[in-house]
Amino acid sequence: GAGVSQSPSNKVTEKGKDVELRCDPISGHTALYWYRQSLGQGLEFLIYFQGNSAPDKSGLPSDRFSAERTGGSVSTLTIQRTQQEDSAVYLCASSLPWTGEVGYGYTFGSGTRLTVV
Amino acid sequence: GENVEQHPSTLSVQEGDSAVIKCTYSDSASNYFPWYKQELGKRPQLIIDIRSNVGEKKDQRIAVTLNKTAKHFSLHITETQPEDSAVYFCAASWGYGGSQGNLIFGKGTKLSVKP
Repeated sequence: GAGVSQSPSNKVTEKGKDVELRCDPISGHTALYWYRQSLGQGLEFLIYFQGNSAPDKSGLPSDRFSAERTGGSVSTLTIQRTQQEDSAVYLCASSLPWTGEVGYGYTFGSGTRLTVV
Repeated sequence: GENVEQHPSTLSVQEGDSAVIKCTYSDSASNYFPWYKQELGKRPQLIIDIRSNVGEKKDQRIAVTLNKTAKHFSLHITETQPEDSAVYFCAASWGYGGSQGNLIFGKGTKLSVKP
């Protein structure tokens, strides 16, 4: 697609429920990233997928968070047993593959605003 | 791991003045340094980037400088306009192993340009 697409744009869920957030990256972008942004805060790294390599999950805050990327394209971030502190905007980004000395900037999606009540 | 410090956290300037935002990084293997602008309620957007083999890059009213020895880089905005008001994030690439290409972001600078 022309840009990074995220769905839903807004999600309100009850505490304790599971949620799934979807990211559809730009075609040809093999690198995909998830970040979390709490109100007025910076970008907190969650997870990074690069091609067929094992994902870097070092940013996931707890084992309630997981993500997968099927077929090297669409990614789903799942939060189980949601808590109020999970409320934030979840941003997905994609980029061309990192190749040696050359880096590429990310293109971000519009995000999913998650509210846990 | 990589750590990126960004200063100031807030910056207020008069329209027409210059604004400078500074970042330092810890990973000497970092070689890519982008800057993002995030307007209220919108997604971060790449505005300029610099690679480690370049010391300065300009694009109209914005410029970025990089000092690899000191491990710091800066964003310069000249002739500021009200539409420059936004949160600006710096980032540095993580240079090791399977996480190469992963960007570590600073905490952001909220720039306000007063007309």
